[in-house]
Amino acid sequence: DGGITQSPKYLFRKEGQNVTLSCEQNLNHDAMYWYRQDPGQGLRLIYYSQIVNDFQKGDIAEGYSVSREKKESFPLTVTSAQKNPTAFYLCASSFGSRTEAFFGQGTRLTVV
Amino acid sequence: AQKVTQAQTEISVVEKEDVTLDCVYETRDTTYYLFWYKQPPSGELVFLIRRNSFDEQNEISGRYSWNFQKSTSSFNFTITASQVVDSAVYFCALSEPYNTDKLIFGTGTRLQVFP
Repeated sequence: DGGITQSPKYLFRKEGQNVTLSCEQNLNHDAMYWYRQDPGQGLRLIYYSQIVNDFQKGDIAEGYSVSREKKESFPLTVTSAQKNPTAFYLCASSFGSRTEAFFGQGTRLTVV
Repeated sequence: AQKVTQAQTEISVVEKEDVTLDCVYETRDTTYYLFWYKQPPSGELVFLIRRNSFDEQNEISGRYSWNFQKSTSSFNFTITASQVVDSAVYFCALSEPYNTDKLIFGTGTRLQVFP
């Protein structure tokens, strides 16, 4: 089945550790996005990529890094520089910003 | 600047009531796209509708309808005869494909439909 897969669903990490969230899609989409969702703040764009080996910062990129080495994959690393990393992270993909985006089921990251 | 405002944080209705979710957007571009998504408790966002800036026709899909008005920069969503299954968070989003090419979301409106 075609879709977008995020893993893991729940992730616990100690403060100060880097952690990488996985996002894979088999929809042949060119564009991929990472969003962070906090209660009452909606979805905020972290990074996005319109093509392989290229990506742009969103509105809250500080403390995060990404790579886009393959069309299907867009992993997000939450670094120790991110001051408040506990949140729900959503990955999405589309054929471009003119088209609808498909979302993964999200990863809930808790830093203790 | 590109911005989406959903002023209604939470709405509660009783089943069978009609409800309208507001969305106001800001853009400097003449070509842009507007979207509505539904987020049920499971967390995954589900696409509902897309509109481009040149198509101001209102759309109806079953109990759902959308009112796009460029004059007021609004793209409102109405659910007729609401049902408990409509309970979710609803997001409005905007993209400017010839400008930033970002997909920006509003803060969402939580709809609770009580039996």
